[in-house]
Amino acid sequence: KAGVTQTPRYLIKTRGQQVTLSCSPISGHRSVSWYQQTPGQGLQFLFEYFSETQRNKGNFPGRFSGRQFSNSRSEMNVSTLELGDSALYLCASSFGSGRSTSDTQYFGPGTRLTVL
Amino acid sequence: TQLLEQSPQFLSIQEGENLTVYCNSSSVFSSLQWYRQEPGEGPVLLVTVVTGGEVKKLKRLTFQFGDARKDSSLHITAAQPGDTGLYLCAVNSGGSNYKLTFGKGTLLTVNP
Repeated sequence: KAGVTQTPRYLIKTRGQQVTLSCSPISGHRSVSWYQQTPGQGLQFLFEYFSETQRNKGNFPGRFSGRQFSNSRSEMNVSTLELGDSALYLCASSFGSGRSTSDTQYFGPGTRLTVL
Repeated sequence: TQLLEQSPQFLSIQEGENLTVYCNSSSVFSSLQWYRQEPGEGPVLLVTVVTGGEVKKLKRLTFQFGDARKDSSLHITAAQPGDTGLYLCAVNSGGSNYKLTFGKGTLLTVNP
């Protein structure tokens, strides 16, 4: 079965611009989580969506937002880009039932965002 | 303060050597996960440990969860170049299985 796909894979933007990243989860998965990975801070949780609702949120400013569609695909948006937003943005999908630690999160390959 | 401290940060060894990497915390966890991330890819789950003192084996990889469920180790026997990657430990936080907190990882390079 197809894995998690993220588009685009690479993106270059300038400060002040906004960007939208897309994530298509594994078929049947209803939970999508987003993470930011930087060399200095490592992997940090942004937010998680389940059935079109934000269920969990990390400690990021309001410039970072997301949404999920009825087909479980998700997008995240970063407005007013800053140099420090340069990072690998990863999404992960899972069934999302929450009843077991065996509900594995499957990560996509990420979108590499560079802010100039 | 980092919730999960991983050590060493970098490790470069020759093929065939053994190695151990660590994930430590002052907090107690109900479970802990280990991931491996290869260049250009997202992390891939290797194992989840849930019981204090638990040992799990995955071919040449041995994972141990500390008795007090505050720390974990990953031991690789006879490392191969294919083991090269970033090894990350992670725990659920905020009471959710879908909000993971990661350590900063150990970057392992196995030279042929």
